[in-house]
Amino acid sequence: EPEVTQTPSHQVTQMGQEVILRCVPISNHLYFYWYRQILGQKVEFLVSFYNNEISEKSEIFDDQFSVERPDGSNFTLKIRSTKLEDSAMYFCASSEGGGLDEQFFGPGTRLTVL
Amino acid sequence: KQEVTQIPAALSVPEGENLVLNCSFTDSAIYNLQWFRQDPGKGLTSLLLIQSSQREQTSGRLNASLDKSSGRSTLYIAASQPGDSATYLCAVTPPGSARQLTFGSGTQLTVLP
Repeated sequence: EPEVTQTPSHQVTQMGQEVILRCVPISNHLYFYWYRQILGQKVEFLVSFYNNEISEKSEIFDDQFSVERPDGSNFTLKIRSTKLEDSAMYFCASSEGGGLDEQFFGPGTRLTVL
Repeated sequence: KQEVTQIPAALSVPEGENLVLNCSFTDSAIYNLQWFRQDPGKGLTSLLLIQSSQREQTSGRLNASLDKSSGRSTLYIAASQPGDSATYLCAVTPPGSARQLTFGSGTQLTVLP
């Protein structure tokens, strides 16, 4: 069964460093998303991406964040200068689009900022 | 701003019991509602999606209902098993082109053998 994959599973970085989180969405899906979950808190929407551009973004998704689909399969989230409060589980999701639009999530990348 | 609430926050039941998890949302203008399961330290597994025009969806031992006008959804789990132990999350999407999910904080379910 097709699934969303994410790499790495765990990333440790120093405050101020740049990190890139990678995702491979399900191949025939058209919509891509990033969410994050700070430990003990709700899952929060960051950004959605369709047709090679951002379609929606939340207040969390400030200038430190960017997304890219560098090729036909990968979808990346870049955090330019990490802060301690960026420590969270980051989930990538994708959906087919159209009427049903069920979102399928990857296993997540745990980001720890020291 | 849409707010999603799930009650109870935690639930512990003996194996074999039928149970109901509740989800409420403040803005009834939703496109669809999705129920997920999250195991500790893991990703989210989609269980059921209900479109705003539907009243319920079933998958195996799971049945989800939606009452959009009252801003409520329930997830019914029949004949619970220890393997059902997980956190169950509900999430809604707004109407229109925006498709971001707004999540509740989840119900942590423990099924005791």
